[in-house]
Amino acid sequence: DAGVIQSPRHEVTEMGQEVTLRCKPISGHNSLFWYRQTMMRGLELLIYFNNNVPIDDSGMPEDRFSAKMPNASFSTLKIQPSEPRDSAVYFCASSRYQLITGELFFGEGSRLTVL
Amino acid sequence: AQSVTQLDSHVSVSEGTPVLLRCNYSSSYSPSLFWYVQHPNKGLQLLLKYTSAATLVKGINGFEAEFKKSETSFHLTKPSAHMSDAAEYFCVVMVTGNQFYFGTGTSLTVIP
Repeated sequence: DAGVIQSPRHEVTEMGQEVTLRCKPISGHNSLFWYRQTMMRGLELLIYFNNNVPIDDSGMPEDRFSAKMPNASFSTLKIQPSEPRDSAVYFCASSRYQLITGELFFGEGSRLTVL
Repeated sequence: AQSVTQLDSHVSVSEGTPVLLRCNYSSSYSPSLFWYVQHPNKGLQLLLKYTSAATLVKGINGFEAEFKKSETSFHLTKPSAHMSDAAEYFCVVMVTGNQFYFGTGTSLTVIP
């Protein structure tokens, strides 16, 4: 079974440009999470979806960030306009929602550099 | 309130010696507990999980962890460190299915 697939793996862009990160969760998983990882702040939850519906977006830093999940097999995280402080590794993770035994499966991450 | 505290941000051990990475948690509910490992430039990978069954949990690559409710701890151990164990380790608490709380991570260095 394929794992969580993220693209692109690396993105270098200039300040002000739009960035779109993509995620394909594991088939059959109904929860999807976007995390951001930096040296200064560690791993931060940005948003998570349950059955394609955003449940908690309190971690989204500001209006420049938006996330969508149009169907069970695809999600995007968009930054518009991008700023240098957005440079980080962005992880997507998926899980099968269970009350007790759920675990997160992570993608390899998208490393974003904003110049 | 839920929280996770990893007591050491960095741990260094010599190859072949035991590893101990400490984690304490705070939870209003009976939590599920996880350890994840992150190798450089990789995503996080599940090492092991506790979900209210046996309190001593065995994971991959010889790691194990013991859930101690009285101490609210879930420390990760390995009898003999290998060079390939050098990585970042995260302790995670899960409450009610979708609420995951991550520790700040412990960086493990293995000295040859």
